[in-house]
Amino acid sequence: DAGVTQSPTHLIKTRGQQVTLRCSPKSGHDTVSWYQQALGQGPQFIFQYYEEEERQRGNFPDRFSGHQFPNYSSELNVNALLLGDSALYLCASSPLVGTWGQGNDGYTFGSGTRLTVV
Amino acid sequence: AQSVTQLGSHVSVSEGALVLLRCNYSSSVPPYLFWYVQYPNQGLQLLLKYTSAATLVKGINGFEAEFKKSETSFHLTKPSAHMSDAAEYFCAVSEEVYGGSQGNLIFGKGTKLSVKP
Repeated sequence: DAGVTQSPTHLIKTRGQQVTLRCSPKSGHDTVSWYQQALGQGPQFIFQYYEEEERQRGNFPDRFSGHQFPNYSSELNVNALLLGDSALYLCASSPLVGTWGQGNDGYTFGSGTRLTVV
Repeated sequence: AQSVTQLGSHVSVSEGALVLLRCNYSSSVPPYLFWYVQYPNQGLQLLLKYTSAATLVKGINGFEAEFKKSETSFHLTKPSAHMSDAAEYFCAVSEEVYGGSQGNLIFGKGTKLSVKP
């Protein structure tokens, strides 16, 4: 059973450029969340998608946008890249229905995309 | 607002020694609490979670954590460290939202565990 797949694994971009990161959720999961992990920090929540709609959003500027497709896969887009956007971007999938206590382990994380902005 | 504090950004133990990684949380409602492990250049793997059942939670790889409401703590322990335990460990808190679905995770800054031979 494939877990969460992210592509690409590494990416180098120049300031001001735009980038698109991709995520395929674990089989059976319909909700996708994105996290940014700066060097030496814990992951920070960017947003969550379900049924192709953004359900929750963290404290990130509008330069960060996303999309979810009918097959539940998702993209994270970042416009006008800044040096401070350099980070590991993690995708996490989960089943929406069911609480933590109902035998599901909630979020499954991918290995991430390492974005370097120069 | 929810938050997580992990005391000690770096913990070093000898192989076979007790591992204790500290986590304190703040939450306005009964929280769900988690410990994740991250190996270099990898994503996060769930070690264990607290979901208001037993206060002592057993996870994978011999780790366990105890939820103490009075101390707002959820410290992670392992009786005997192994070299393969060297990694970064993250404590996280979440709340239920939208009628029972999982809220987003709020992570601490992480604790890097080193294991000396």
